[in-house]
Amino acid sequence: GDSVTQMEGPVTLSEEAFLTINCTYTATGYPSLFWYVQYPGEGLQLLLKATKADDKGSNKGFEATYRKETTSFHLEKGSVQVSDSAVYFCALNSEGGSEKLVFGKGTKLTVNP
Amino acid sequence: DTEVTQTPKHLVMGMTNKKSLKCEQHMGHRAMYWYKQKAKKPPELMFVYSYEKLSINESVPSRFSPECPNSSLLNLHLHALQPEDSALYLCASSPPLRDSAFFGPGTRLTVL
Repeated sequence: GDSVTQMEGPVTLSEEAFLTINCTYTATGYPSLFWYVQYPGEGLQLLLKATKADDKGSNKGFEATYRKETTSFHLEKGSVQVSDSAVYFCALNSEGGSEKLVFGKGTKLTVNP
Repeated sequence: DTEVTQTPKHLVMGMTNKKSLKCEQHMGHRAMYWYKQKAKKPPELMFVYSYEKLSINESVPSRFSPECPNSSLLNLHLHALQPEDSALYLCASSPPLRDSAFFGPGTRLTVL
């Protein structure tokens, strides 16, 4: 079945550091790929998405590129802020038409001032 | 209106109680979901409604009973829950065909 593997962390960075959170997936066909963010005590917010190979999703300084050849969708940000501290989930929705989101296990990011 | 709302925000119930969680969206989305999230875990899908019909039930125990009264509302009826059912219950909605899901803030449920 479809699956998502992401680095589990936790990841601790200093403010203005470069962030990479790795995400790889297993799916048939061409899934849609997503990054969600969950701040403490809140629900999930869609951070960015990509629906086809070589698409780049971007939002709030975060970017991720849909790489079909490496089945990856790594999240990057050039300069993190304390307010970026949260749990980040990589997810996919498979091509088969199911409405089911498959999530990775989540990566907790802490940014220190 | 681009949000999913959930009530109540917090709920404490005993194992013999009956309660309901409510979810509402006015984005015209035709798919609505219930997820359960335990601490430090990803959300786990429970139910999917598509065009107001139950399309996916992930083998959820019958003490959880979903209901979709109309295209904007989704309820989760709770009865005879166990302490291990304590979790954050998230509602979500999405347009059709694999587009992104929008999540509500969740209901934090504690079963005593």
